[in-house]
Amino acid sequence: GQQLNQSPQSMFIQEGEDVSMNCTSSSIFNTWLWYKQEPGEGPVLLIALYKAGELTSNGRLTAQFGITRKDSFLNISASIPSDVGIYFCAGLLYMEYGNKLVFGAGTILRVKS
Amino acid sequence: DTGVSQDPRHKITKRGQNVTFRCDPISEHNRLYWYRQTLGQGPEFLTYFQNEAQLEKSRLLSDRFSAERPKGSFSTLEIQRTEQGDSAMYLCASSWTDSPDTQYFGPGTRLTVL
Repeated sequence: GQQLNQSPQSMFIQEGEDVSMNCTSSSIFNTWLWYKQEPGEGPVLLIALYKAGELTSNGRLTAQFGITRKDSFLNISASIPSDVGIYFCAGLLYMEYGNKLVFGAGTILRVKS
Repeated sequence: DTGVSQDPRHKITKRGQNVTFRCDPISEHNRLYWYRQTLGQGPEFLTYFQNEAQLEKSRLLSDRFSAERPKGSFSTLEIQRTEQGDSAMYLCASSWTDSPDTQYFGPGTRLTVL
């Protein structure tokens, strides 16, 4: 089945540093999404990518959809303490009557102030 | 707040008991999804409704699991004869047909089976 590999598994960085994480897949996805999850809460959508090669920003976040549609990266610039959480990449898989998300295992981000 | 809501937020039960969770999607969303998330993993798809019709079910959804969305609004997920392996966070998400790629998640129900 489809599997998304996220790296790194975790990061512990200094406030103000830039962060980069990525996601690869053996399968092609037509849409990639990045979510953030905080303890005890559901994932919150950060960025959605629809076209191969697309580069999209949302504030301090930038994400790119790989040309092969098998990978994506997420960058966070000038990290702040509230960036702490688990970041998930997800590929959207189309089913016969709808779609479902296939998630990576997540990257845990900790920020030291 | 008109986001996705789930109830209860936490449930502790003994093995063998039945449990039922409720999800209220964003009001104008006609698509509703259930996912399960275990510790250290991303959410995994369980099942999907468009209006009241259950259109997809994962092989993860054993015979002990049943989901309903009787009026096309809220949904329930029932687990019968719970097992310790059912301990997880159960997440609900909803989306609108015209924007199917954007799924909004609720806060989840954390189930602990003793």
